[in-house]
Amino acid sequence: QITLKESGPTLVKPTQSLTLTCTFSGFSLTTSGVGVAWVRQPPGKALEWLALIFWNDDIRYSPSLKTRLTITKDTSKNQVVLTMTNMDPVDTGTYYCAHLTGTYPFDIWGHGTMVTVSS
Amino acid sequence: DIVMTQSPDSLTVSLGERATINCKSSQNVLFSSNNKNYLSWYQHKPGQPPKLLISWASTRESGVPDRFSGSGSGTDFTLTISSLQTEDVAVYYCQEYLFSWTFGQGTKVEVK
Repeated sequence: QITLKESGPTLVKPTQSLTLTCTFSGFSLTTSGVGVAWVRQPPGKALEWLALIFWNDDIRYSPSLKTRLTITKDTSKNQVVLTMTNMDPVDTGTYYCAHLTGTYPFDIWGHGTMVTVSS
Repeated sequence: DIVMTQSPDSLTVSLGERATINCKSSQNVLFSSNNKNYLSWYQHKPGQPPKLLISWASTRESGVPDRFSGSGSGTDFTLTISSLQTEDVAVYYCQEYLFSWTFGQGTKVEVK
């Protein structure tokens, strides 16, 4: 059974960096084709894909946020870490991580973690 | 950048009636090499993570009721709920996964 869980700060000050961790089980990020993605949802707004990392360190970023994002993986800990710099109140929202395999949509999601950006 | 546009933004349907959601892609998501449309549909209920309903434009995920169906090809797609149930109240999103995993803006489905 595949599970994912997001963790990180609930409150971040403007201009600070946000670091979120996705801890997963039931699959390995050393398996061919496997990937983990990050998606966010501001309150009352749509889902927005942020970044994803594949088993082979192929990394993709949302073009609109590319300069602010870094995604890494630690296969020994079964974790994927997303860092977003220069946080702003508009970055407030629920951040999800999700599993995917190859050229496939996000089939299993974590429950999300709420992040508020406020001074 | 690819843009996914859904219509309508919201939809109110009586129980047992049909709900239809449209999704238009600014670029063709039909990959000619395998003749597959890289288009998925998700259901998102408050307080829950999104749930993948349909992949490849028309393939239901395991356990998804058959009242949900997807159709379309190229740039125009449709999600149909044939007989709306109370538990179908949610926001529905389309997503392309050929270019950059871009989501549509969502369609809120409510019961009349």
